[in-house]
Amino acid sequence: DAGVIQSPRHEVTEMGQEVTLRCKPISGHNSLFWYRQTMMRGLELLIYFNNNVPIDDSGMPEDRFSAKMPNASFSTLKIQPSEPRDSAVYFCASSLSSGVQYFGPGTRLTVT
Amino acid sequence: ELKVEQNPLFLSMQEGKNYTIYCNYSTTSDRLYWYRQDPGKSLESLFVLLSNGAVKQEGRLMASLDTKARLSTLHITAAVHDLSATYFCAGNPGGGADGLTFGKGTHLIIQP
Repeated sequence: DAGVIQSPRHEVTEMGQEVTLRCKPISGHNSLFWYRQTMMRGLELLIYFNNNVPIDDSGMPEDRFSAKMPNASFSTLKIQPSEPRDSAVYFCASSLSSGVQYFGPGTRLTVT
Repeated sequence: ELKVEQNPLFLSMQEGKNYTIYCNYSTTSDRLYWYRQDPGKSLESLFVLLSNGAVKQEGRLMASLDTKARLSTLHITAAVHDLSATYFCAGNPGGGADGLTFGKGTHLIIQP
């Protein structure tokens, strides 16, 4: 079975540009999570969805960040405009209800 | 707000030795998770502990949970080099299909 799929795997962009990260959860899973990992702050929850509905976005750092889940098989995380401090690895994870969260391979974002 | 503290954060040990990683959490957590992360890779689920006194074992790793002490442990028996990785514990403060709060991780190096 395919796991969580994320694209792109690597993204290098210039400050001020718009960045869109994509995630396809495991088929049948109804919860989707976006996390960010940096050396300084570790793993942080940004936002999560249950049944395509955003439940808690209190971890989204600023208004520059937005996330959508238009259907059960696709989610995006957008940063506009991007800044160097947004450089991190962004993970998407999915789960079935309150089960184990399965993580995707991550997107390594570098903003210069 | 749930806070999760792991110790030690760095551990270098020899093959064949036993050691324990500790995870303390500040408030009630519905369940406690342990994940493994290899350098440059994603997070892999190891254990989910659901109730007080829960103990789970997989190979040389054993995890336990004491909800009264708000403490989980990950015990490594007769360590081997392949167990070198970063180990994270995490709780979900809201319960159910909630986002996870992670500890800072324990970077484990096992030397021959």
